[in-house]
Amino acid sequence: NAGVTQTPKFQVLKTGQSMTLQCAQDMNHNSMYWYRQDPGMGLRLIYYSASEGTTDKGEVPNGYNVSRLNKREFSLRLESAAPSQTSVYFCASSEWTGVMDQPQHFGDGTRLSIL
Amino acid sequence: AQKVTQAQTEISVVEKEDVTLDCVYETRDTTYYLFWYKQPPSGELVFLIRRNSFDEQNEISGRYSWNFQKSTSSFNFTITASQVVDSAVYFCALSEAFMFSGGYNKLIFGAGTRLAVHP
Repeated sequence: NAGVTQTPKFQVLKTGQSMTLQCAQDMNHNSMYWYRQDPGMGLRLIYYSASEGTTDKGEVPNGYNVSRLNKREFSLRLESAAPSQTSVYFCASSEWTGVMDQPQHFGDGTRLSIL
Repeated sequence: AQKVTQAQTEISVVEKEDVTLDCVYETRDTTYYLFWYKQPPSGELVFLIRRNSFDEQNEISGRYSWNFQKSTSSFNFTITASQVVDSAVYFCALSEAFMFSGGYNKLIFGAGTRLAVHP
């Protein structure tokens, strides 16, 4: 009953280092998303993937890249980490049944600190 | 542009009090979805409810109830007889309906309301 699994759960980086956050879902969902959560700002969409093979920018894409490796996996990469990217990152997935939107299911988050 | 406003940053109540969390949204879409998520101190996001724009019926689930009013663009959440376990950050969110977006829903979140329930 895993749902959405994110790794790692915690990470500390130095400015300029690179890092890939991993996300995998076992619900056979087509759509996957990456959000960041900052104090007082709620969650903001970084990138999303409507289906395998497609990715699109969200609200705050600068400084990030993504890869939809297959239907299950959607990774987020920071090429040159900056202190402004210190945040909690959430991966989510969802599905449309053709009748009704299904809610997004979220992973437990990755807490990332950049010094 | 779509926007969700949760004007209450923090609310503090004593156990067994009723509490209402406000959510006001803006959208030009005629078909959309509204959501409430709970984020307990452990940090995960827990889905509570989804409401589509065509369904203005209020909903009750145990101690939780939701009041959706299109006339005032509000989707408020009430907890009756609050308990310490209700302490969490609550997020209201808005999305365009899947059928118009191509099969995905980009959620626009409010800033959240932190609810503290004291014994």
